[in-house]
Amino acid sequence: QLQLQGSGPGLVKPSETLSLTCAVSGGSIINTNYYWGWIRQPPGKGLEWIGNIYYSGNTYYNPSLRSRVTISVDTSKNQFSLRLSSLTAADTAVYYCARTVDHNFWSGFYKAFDYWAQGTLVTVSS
Amino acid sequence: DIQMTQSPPSLSASVGDRVTITCRASQSIGSYLNWYQQKAGTVPKLLIYAASSLQSGVPSKFSGTGSGTDFSLTISSLQPEDFATYYCQQSYSTPYTFGQGTNLEIK
Repeated sequence: QLQLQGSGPGLVKPSETLSLTCAVSGGSIINTNYYWGWIRQPPGKGLEWIGNIYYSGNTYYNPSLRSRVTISVDTSKNQFSLRLSSLTAADTAVYYCARTVDHNFWSGFYKAFDYWAQGTLVTVSS
Repeated sequence: DIQMTQSPPSLSASVGDRVTITCRASQSIGSYLNWYQQKAGTVPKLLIYAASSLQSGVPSKFSGTGSGTDFSLTISSLQPEDFATYYCQQSYSTPYTFGQGTNLEIK
């Protein structure tokens, strides 16, 4: 059974950089059918996609965060990571890592977030 | 960015009811639409992908329809465990975007 386990600090100071890691177990991160990504949810609010990475290292970012985000993959450790710089209070959220599955239909490739880690509450505060 | 608008924002229903939640995209997205369920304090769970395909392990009481800009999620015979927040999400183009959520509450 696939499992994703996110880890990282729960409290970060304004202007600093957040670093989170997502360890994947029960399956290889090297798979042509999957992407790996990050989604966040401010307390009491909705979901925001941050970005995805393919095992080859190809990345796809939300333009609203692009200048501050880096997602990387370490296939030797079967994990991927998020770095978000220049933090403000608006970045306070639960950060989820998730697998994006690519369903291959005759009409195209349909992506969905099918496995999620438990989520890490990150508070940006001095 | 493609904007996803759900209605209603909240919905009260009783056990045994059948309910429908709608989602509208700001432009045509074909069938690139997913539905998730999130119970309080838990991780979102994928229910429906590609507008109408049921995710493995999800009960058939959940069904999705629609294409283009208008979509709906129907839940038949509501049970206590179905009361949660439901989100639609488009995977037509990046940035992938979610609706604001529909909070399904017990009447």
